[in-house]
Formats: sequence, C-alpha cells, structure tokens
Amino acid sequence: DSGVTQTPKHLITATGQRVTLRCSPRSGDLSVYWYQQSLDQGLQFLIQYYNGEERAKGNILERFSAQQFPDLHSELNLSSLELGDSALYFCASSVAPSGSAGELFFGEGSRLTVL
Amino acid sequence: GNSVTQMEGPVTLSEEAFLTINCTYTATGYPSLFWYVQYPGEGLQLLLKATKADDKGSNKGFEATYRKETTSFHLEKGSVQVSDSAVYFCALRNQAGTALIFGKGTTLSVSS
Repeated sequence: DSGVTQTPKHLITATGQRVTLRCSPRSGDLSVYWYQQSLDQGLQFLIQYYNGEERAKGNILERFSAQQFPDLHSELNLSSLELGDSALYFCASSVAPSGSAGELFFGEGSRLTVL
Repeated sequence: GNSVTQMEGPVTLSEEAFLTINCTYTATGYPSLFWYVQYPGEGLQLLLKATKADDKGSNKGFEATYRKETTSFHLEKGSVQVSDSAVYFCALRNQAGTALIFGKGTTLSVSS
C-alpha cells in the first residue's frame, strides 16, 4: 500500500459527459502528480501541483483541469469526454516539489471507460 | 526534449532465466534514472534508481547501471521468478524537472 488513495477505481460514462477523479496523497506529501496510462501512448504526465499551486504542466488537454485543495487532496476534472479519453488515470505524490532524486508514490489508478 | 525508449515487449521467459530489459534516454544535463514496476491491478512501485553516472541501483535481485556514455540504464536480473511477472517502466527526472518521464513499459511474463 503506497498510501495514495484514488477514487473511484472504475468509472463508465458516455461521450460528452464530465467526470471528476479524486486523489488523496500520502500523509505529509505536498506534491501531487496526475498521469494518464493508455495502451498506445503509455504513461503520459498531465499536471503537477505543489501545496495548492500548479507546478508543472505536461500533455494535458484543454478539456481537462485539475486543482489541489487546502487539505492537499487533488481532483482531476475531465469534460466533453471522447472515446479516446478511455484510460487508466494515476495519481502520484511526493514530499518535495522538484529535485531529481525524489521518489513518486503511485495510487492504484482510476479506470475510465467512455462509451 | 527529454525522452525514454524501452525495448518492446512482451518478454516471455522460463523461471530461473536471465533477464535484460533495455532502456536508453535522451536528456539535458544529468538526470536521475529509475525503474518502476507495475504488478497486475496495482499502481507503479519504485524498483530501483541511480542518480549519477556509473551508479548501480539494485533491489530484489534486479540491477541497473547508469551509463552516461551510452545513455542507457538497462535492467537485469540473474534468475527470474514467476512472481516477477509485471510491467517494467524505465523513467528519468532531470535536474530541473519535476515529473518523471516514463518509457512505454515492457511486459515480462515468467512461466514455471
């Protein structure tokens, strides 16, 4: 158990809909990262937050947004969903905002299926 | 930009066979290098890491050496077990970077 909690574990929805994925980081970790894992693209970094502020952006679509709340949990909002958004979405956390050697701790992921 | 290239899988081996999974990287400066493992139905876990050239990371019988001259970080294990069946990801994080950049993953299947 990594200590990172993600909900829901599975989600099935229709095209055009909007969903919210939630992540609670490990106790004491201030940084939260979101990744998308799909068969064709592999693991793609979406966005990072540190102590409530956006820290880095990766390949995140404009239809997607995220935030980190004062209690440090984070939410990833996916809107106007398309079939291609079906993927496993991982949240990870770390103590520090940056630095090359730090380990990331991953949750078990939220599997989104768009029909 | 920064990128990681891993050998395509799946890799299928018999128990006690020798394992090599190749990984090469492109990065500016001196990145840290990682191997993560994903067991079925689980999130990724750090397997080992190396933070500078010629460092060797090791854990659970797995090893990888940071080779700057060949920009490689190949994963090896002398004798695999069925329980090693998983997806293995090579990753880097550069000095100024925040998030890890992952390769596409290599699926390892070990049979008894």
